[in-house]
Amino acid sequence: GAGVSQSPSNKVTEKGKDVELRCDPISGHTALYWYRQSLGQGLEFLIYFQGNSAPDKSGLPSDRFSAERTGGSVSTLTIQRTQQEDSAVYLCASSLRTTGIFEKLFFGSGTQLSVL
Amino acid sequence: GNSVTQMEGPVTLSEEAFLTINCTYTATGYPSLFWYVQYPGEGLQLLLKATKADDKGSNKGFEATYRKETTSFHLEKGSVQVSDSAVYFCALNSPGYALNFGKGTSLLVTP
Repeated sequence: GAGVSQSPSNKVTEKGKDVELRCDPISGHTALYWYRQSLGQGLEFLIYFQGNSAPDKSGLPSDRFSAERTGGSVSTLTIQRTQQEDSAVYLCASSLRTTGIFEKLFFGSGTQLSVL
Repeated sequence: GNSVTQMEGPVTLSEEAFLTINCTYTATGYPSLFWYVQYPGEGLQLLLKATKADDKGSNKGFEATYRKETTSFHLEKGSVQVSDSAVYFCALNSPGYALNFGKGTSLLVTP
């Protein structure tokens, strides 16, 4: 597709349930990022995939959060045993990683997660 | 580690006022610096960038200069418009590291 696609756009779940959020990056982009945007918290880095390298998971807030990227393309962010504080907009971005000197991120529209 | 600190909002200005949004950073190596903007109801998009010291990024009347001596990348615009109302994010990346964003500064421009 022309841009980064995320699904679902909205997700309402009950506390304690697991959720999966999907990101389809721009074709050919080797770098993929997940961020979380909460009111008053700004944009929080979660995880970063670059090609075949081991992902940078340093931003994941707890072991309930995990992500994978299959075949270097689509990525799924999984949140287990959701809590109310997980409610946020989850943003995915991709970039055509070159030498790392400069990269422009292209963002998806996000998934609004609401945990009741 | 890498981090970005930007002034807290919200910032409210009248149309045609001068805008400054402060951004300072700490980083290993020689980072690139960015400003991203999120207009209401839209996704984040790159506004401008600078990849080395003393570079000036500019776009849509906005400017920011990469100041290594003060580790700053302040965003400025001489005359804001209502259509500039948005959330502005300062960001940096160093090679091998993910892009690191500040918490964002909300700007509201009133007619």
